[in-house]
Parts: sequence; structure tokens; C-alpha cells
Amino acid sequence: GQNIDQPTEMTATEGAIVQINCTYQTSGFNGLFWYQQHAGEAPTFLSYNVLDGLEEKGRFSSFLSRSKGYSYLLLKELQMKDSASYLCAVTDSNYQLIWGAGTKLIIKP
Amino acid sequence: DTEVTQTPKHLVMGMTNKKSLKCEQHMGHRAMYWYKQKAKKPPELMFVYSYEKLSINESVPSRFSPECPNSSLLNLHLHALQPEDSALYLCASSQDGGGSYNEQFFGPGTRLTVL
Repeated sequence: GQNIDQPTEMTATEGAIVQINCTYQTSGFNGLFWYQQHAGEAPTFLSYNVLDGLEEKGRFSSFLSRSKGYSYLLLKELQMKDSASYLCAVTDSNYQLIWGAGTKLIIKP
Repeated sequence: DTEVTQTPKHLVMGMTNKKSLKCEQHMGHRAMYWYKQKAKKPPELMFVYSYEKLSINESVPSRFSPECPNSSLLNLHLHALQPEDSALYLCASSQDGGGSYNEQFFGPGTRLTVL
């Protein structure tokens, strides 16, 4: 079956760094997305990885290891507005997007 | 225009009502999606239209009926819903329905409550 695992909830301090992990077991792999979703709002795109390595975009970076079925999202210089759910999603061999359950990130002052 | 719009934002309906949700995008995307999302859960795929043809129907009950009048519009017709259908309904679009890079752009959603 298809499976994507993320921690349910994480807490971090404003100004700090946090890493959200995602492991996946899917039928094929055609890329991995990270989305941010604030409560009651729609998901918004953060990053896309299809090759191994680190993609950096401002305060956010995303890493992929295809051999390990593993990705992480790294958030630096945390701000209160970063409190949200972070969803990992994998495109499988049928080009369907398989979603993880999301990680709720709580930022404390 | 990089926006997906959805109307209405909120909808309250009884179990005998018939209503429709609407979605529109003007990015030239050829794939459009309907998702259902319950609180604290990920989006759950319902339907995918690719080049205006229904390509995926994830075993959704017939009380939900999708329609794609043209490449920019997507509707979801609702009839005889149950209280457990109350959720956030999200529309999304992507460049096309295949290919590895299918970043999906989401609309703000319709918050549906069935009484």
C-alpha cells in the first residue's frame, strides 16, 4: 500500500530552527511536494524535490533522499506566522498525489 | 492571474437541498480537482478532470456529481447530503493531470455544513 509518515505535532520557539521529517513508501516516485496550510485555509505550495539533495528557498529548505524514502522541511528564523500544518505529498507512478496526514507546527514566543 | 476562486465561501444546507459549488481558474491549467478535507486531516481526493474529461472518481457517493463545463470551470453538484459530508471542499488546478511536476494551486475552499 501507499504510506506517508509525518509527526503529528511539533513545537518550536520563535527565532529557532525546526526540521519536519517525512518518510514515504509509494508505488513509484515522481516527486515530493511540501505544502503549508493555515487553519481553515487552503494549502499553499512551499517546495518540490524530484532529485536527491537540498532545495533552498529563503527561510525554507527541503531535502530529499530517494534511496531512503525520506524528506525533510527545514524552517529557519521561525516566526509566529509559521504556525500552521505542513503537508508532505508524493507523486506516485500513476502521477497521483498521495498526501501525508500533516504536521501541526506550534510556534511559541 | 495565478488564482483559483471558489464560491460560495460558506454553505449551510439541509439534507433535502440541492446546491452547487463553483470553481474557476484562468491560468490555462488543463487539470482540475475536487478534494474534501475534514478537520485535522489531509485533503482527500474526490475527482480529477483532465482536459475536461473525468479521469478519476475516487469511489465518491453519487450524491456528489462533478461537472466541467469548460477548461476554466469546475462545478460540484450536491444533492441529498448527509451530516457527515460537512467539511471543507477544496478545488485545485494544475498544468495537466500527468507528468511529475504537477504543482496544484488551491482555491480558498467552501466550508460546507449539512444540517
